[in-house]
Amino acid sequence: GNSVTQMEGPVTLSEEAFLTINCTYTATGYPSLFWYVQYPGEGLQLLLKATKADDKGSNKGFEATYRKETTSFHLEKGSVQVSDSAVYFCALSDRLSGGYQKVTFGTGTKLQVIP
Amino acid sequence: NAGVTQTPKFQVLKTGQSMTLQCAQDMNHEYMSWYRQDPGMGLRLIHYSVGAGITDQGEVPNGYNVSRSTTEDFPLRLLSAAPSQTSVYFCASSYGPPATEKNIQYFGAGTRLSVL
Repeated sequence: GNSVTQMEGPVTLSEEAFLTINCTYTATGYPSLFWYVQYPGEGLQLLLKATKADDKGSNKGFEATYRKETTSFHLEKGSVQVSDSAVYFCALSDRLSGGYQKVTFGTGTKLQVIP
Repeated sequence: NAGVTQTPKFQVLKTGQSMTLQCAQDMNHEYMSWYRQDPGMGLRLIHYSVGAGITDQGEVPNGYNVSRSTTEDFPLRLLSAAPSQTSVYFCASSYGPPATEKNIQYFGAGTRLSVL
């Protein structure tokens, strides 16, 4: 099946710093790519997505571009805030052996932003 | 809006005990899933359902049972808990297949389970 590899954390940044969380994928065909965010004590929320090569997903100041040539979908934000402290999951579309379309998640990267 | 509601939030079991994790959604979503989240492993799909009365196995189904008698509810049953089932469990729902472009997957807040 498809898989994603994302950078290990934790990542600690000062407020207003630039954020990059790396994500690369291995897949057959052209999967959809996602970033999910999990705030402390909550479930995952979809942050952004991209469905084809060169698409840029964006939301809440975060961006990620679907790069087919480098099989990457790195998450970036120009100026992080304390409220961005969370765990970020890179994910992609995948299929079970029976054909069911599912989402395969990476291991998550914890981000801590200090004032 | 309630969204996806999971109960309980925390549970401690002894090896061999049984329990049911509850999941309910009020968005009239057809697709529902159960995941477990373990350190260093991301989320893994346990079971899923594509509508009332229709369930199937995910990647790690052993030791778990599910049923879907209504659109709203999708309980997960542990018949004989084992320490290897210590994890955080998430329920999720979506209108259609969760990996497709127009179907956002909504998650509950999770159940933290410890099996001693």
